[in-house]
Amino acid sequence: GDSVTQMEGPVTLSEEAFLTINCTYTATGYPSLFWYVQYPGEGLQLLLKATKADDKGSNKGFEATYRKETTSFHLEKGSVQVSDSAVYFCALAVSSGYSTLTFGKGTMLLVSP
Amino acid sequence: NAGVTQTPKFRVLKTGQSMTLLCAQDMNHEYMYWYRQDPGMGLRLIHYSVGEGTTAKGEVPDGYNVSRLKKQNFLLGLESAAPSQTSVYFCASKEDTYSNQPQHFGDGTRLSIL
Repeated sequence: GDSVTQMEGPVTLSEEAFLTINCTYTATGYPSLFWYVQYPGEGLQLLLKATKADDKGSNKGFEATYRKETTSFHLEKGSVQVSDSAVYFCALAVSSGYSTLTFGKGTMLLVSP
Repeated sequence: NAGVTQTPKFRVLKTGQSMTLLCAQDMNHEYMYWYRQDPGMGLRLIHYSVGEGTTAKGEVPDGYNVSRLKKQNFLLGLESAAPSQTSVYFCASKEDTYSNQPQHFGDGTRLSIL
């Protein structure tokens, strides 16, 4: 079946550090890939997405590139802020099965001043 | 611009009690989903609906029932609550079947079963 594997957290960084959160996937079809962010006490918000190989999704300084050859969708940001502290979820959806989302377990990011 | 609204936000139940969680969306979306979020487990799909009057089982459906009598509402029921159902429940909606469209999430219902 479909699955998503994310690096375990928490990831602890100082403000202005470079961020990478690794995400790899397995899928029976040709998936669309997403990163969602969950701030404390809130629901999930779409951060970015990519729908085909070599697409780069970007938003709020975050980027991720859909790498079909390595089945990866790593999240990066050049300079993190304290306000980026949250839990980040990688997810995929395939065109079959009514496009239900398969999530990774989430990675907590903690940014200190 | 409400989006997806979940009620209640918090609830404490005793084992064996029943309750219904309500999800309402104002985006005219066809697809709706219920997930549960547990520490270290990510989000797992409980049930989903692809349109008014339809429901289907997800990954972890046991102990839950759902109904979609109106397009904008998706109800999740616990007939006899168990401590294992202590969790944070999220509802989401999506415009239609295309996999490249994102799901939109509510803020969650935190449920504790004593």
